[in-house]
Amino acid sequence: RKEVEQDPGPFNVPEGATVAFNCTYSNSASQSFFWYRQDCRKEPKLLMSVYSSGNEDGRFTAQLNRASQYISLLIRDSKLSDSATYLCVVHNAGKSTFGDGTTLTVKP
Amino acid sequence: SAVISQKPSRDICQRGTSLTIQCQVDSQVTMMFWYRQQPGQSLTLIATANQGSEATYESGFVIDKFPISRPNLTFSTLTVSNMSPEDSSIYLCSSKGIYNEQFFGPGTRLTVL
Repeated sequence: RKEVEQDPGPFNVPEGATVAFNCTYSNSASQSFFWYRQDCRKEPKLLMSVYSSGNEDGRFTAQLNRASQYISLLIRDSKLSDSATYLCVVHNAGKSTFGDGTTLTVKP
Repeated sequence: SAVISQKPSRDICQRGTSLTIQCQVDSQVTMMFWYRQQPGQSLTLIATANQGSEATYESGFVIDKFPISRPNLTFSTLTVSNMSPEDSSIYLCSSKGIYNEQFFGPGTRLTVL
């Protein structure tokens, strides 16, 4: 079993749709959690950290469920510019483990 | 957030040769990381480079193949030695922020013929 598992998608949604990505992790001692965005042929960039209480940044909402070892990312009112691969990242003991990513395509 | 530059941005190399990738951070950082990302796949950590000590390699990666230097707190190099076509990949360096978030360089796209 992989340490971090994501639904690979692809997710193809129309503009304005709401889309949710899920991620599970296997190490219950994991300390920090993040969502990154990676555009084609570019490096990953931090989208947002994920806190136990849940956190929101504009159209993006991240949730963490430690009991179920589950992280989610919700994107509301999708824009064409949201098309990218979204990487779930789990950090423990000085090391970050990346999921394989979920690809999102937002269509007009 | 740290700003990280890498060079070269891309290279095409012959098998059996070696390539050294440079990574420069705009601030002093204790830990730097080297990742590999093969087409359509996620990032795989090669090694962690700490200033003043030997790099720590992940399973499947060895120092003879991927020697790393870390001469100061803002710079690191990764060498891909005795290259084969299987080494064709994007190589990324990164540093870690105070909340364990990572900042990446733009990557080096390596093609081995």
